[in-house]
Amino acid sequence: EAGVAQSPRYKIIEKRQSVAFWCNPISGHATLYWYQQILGQGPKLLIQFQNNGVVDDSQLPKDRFSAERLKGVDSTLKIQPAKLEDSAVYLCASSSGDREETQYFGPGTRLLVL
Amino acid sequence: QKEVEQNSGPLSVPEGAIASLNCTYSDRGSQSFFWYRQYSGKSPELIMFIYSNGDKEDGRFTAQLNKASQYVSLLIRDSQPSDSATYLCAVRPPGGYNKLIFGAGTRLAVHP
Repeated sequence: EAGVAQSPRYKIIEKRQSVAFWCNPISGHATLYWYQQILGQGPKLLIQFQNNGVVDDSQLPKDRFSAERLKGVDSTLKIQPAKLEDSAVYLCASSSGDREETQYFGPGTRLLVL
Repeated sequence: QKEVEQNSGPLSVPEGAIASLNCTYSDRGSQSFFWYRQYSGKSPELIMFIYSNGDKEDGRFTAQLNKASQYVSLLIRDSQPSDSATYLCAVRPPGGYNKLIFGAGTRLAVHP
């Protein structure tokens, strides 16, 4: 079974630029999550999709971050404009909806904002 | 008060010893608890989950849950250098949608 795929793996941009990340979840997984992990901290949930719909975006900075999940499969997370404090690893995870709701993480995208 | 608290470490143990990692959470209604391992530069991977008070064993790993004390722990028996990583405690708060709230993690170093 293929895992969660993410791209790019690394990105370096200057502040005020825009950037987009892509995620392809495990096949058949209805739930998709985007997390932000700042160095030395645990992952923080930014947004959670159930199929096409958003079920939690309470911690998404909506003035600069946006996300979509078209057709209930792939998802993109965009930052526009980026700030220095957005430097972090952006992790995508998916889960199947089984009882344990195990979340499987992708390799992450490491973003550096200069 | 942070929702999920862990000692950042590092916790240093000799090879073959038992490593004990602890986590406390603030929402008394939380029902599900997870331990993830994260190697440096890698993404988190699930070690085990626990729902009921008491112990749950899986190989060298034992998770312990005490809901009255709002305390979760992970024991690693016969620690190996390959166990050196950051261990993240995650809690599923009450309500819908199965979100997880992560602690900052405890860094474990197992030395030969």
